[in-house]
Amino acid sequence: GENVEQHPSTLSVQEGDSAVIKCTYSDSASNYFPWYKQELGKGPQLIIDIRSNVGEKKDQRIAVTLNKTAKHFSLHITETQPEDSAVYFCAAKGYNFNKFYFGSGTKLNVKP
Amino acid sequence: DGGITQSPKYLFRKEGQNVTLSCEQNLNHDAMYWYRQDPGQGLRLIYYSQIVNDFQKGDIAEGYSVSREKKESFPLTVTSAQKNPTAFYLCASSIAGGRGTGELFFGEGSRLTVL
Repeated sequence: GENVEQHPSTLSVQEGDSAVIKCTYSDSASNYFPWYKQELGKGPQLIIDIRSNVGEKKDQRIAVTLNKTAKHFSLHITETQPEDSAVYFCAAKGYNFNKFYFGSGTKLNVKP
Repeated sequence: DGGITQSPKYLFRKEGQNVTLSCEQNLNHDAMYWYRQDPGQGLRLIYYSQIVNDFQKGDIAEGYSVSREKKESFPLTVTSAQKNPTAFYLCASSIAGGRGTGELFFGEGSRLTVL
């Protein structure tokens, strides 16, 4: 089955700096890669996603890049703010997969 | 507004008791999922259902049971056989399960504590 690995497990940055979280996947059949933000005590919220027919997608300060050849995708947050502090999860799914496969999460701390 | 509603948000249980967590969605999604999250940990899949009256075990199904009698509802029962049930439980849904790659939406979670 699919295996998704996520790094780093914790990330601390200064407000205004950029943050990058990386994920790798093992199954070339995966074609949908969402990213979730989870605040303390709440359910994960989808913040951005990318499908395998594109290499990059941006939404204001957030961007995701996908390298299908290397089987990795990354979340980029620019001009970080304290409210970006949360746990971020990556995931992968393929067209014929019955379920989503999640990374282990990255705890991002943005210091004011 | 469309979304996923989980209840109760907090639940306390004595050892040996079964409890049922509710999950309702009005997104008209076919697929529904239950995940367990322990403190500082990732998401582990308990059960999932791609269509009404059908469901499959996930990675940690032992001690749990589900039903899918209606498209919008996917309740989870934590039985007394679950040895360590204290956790944060998340319900999710997507427009399609086995086929397609629709977005996965989560509820706000239910925190179960065993006393």
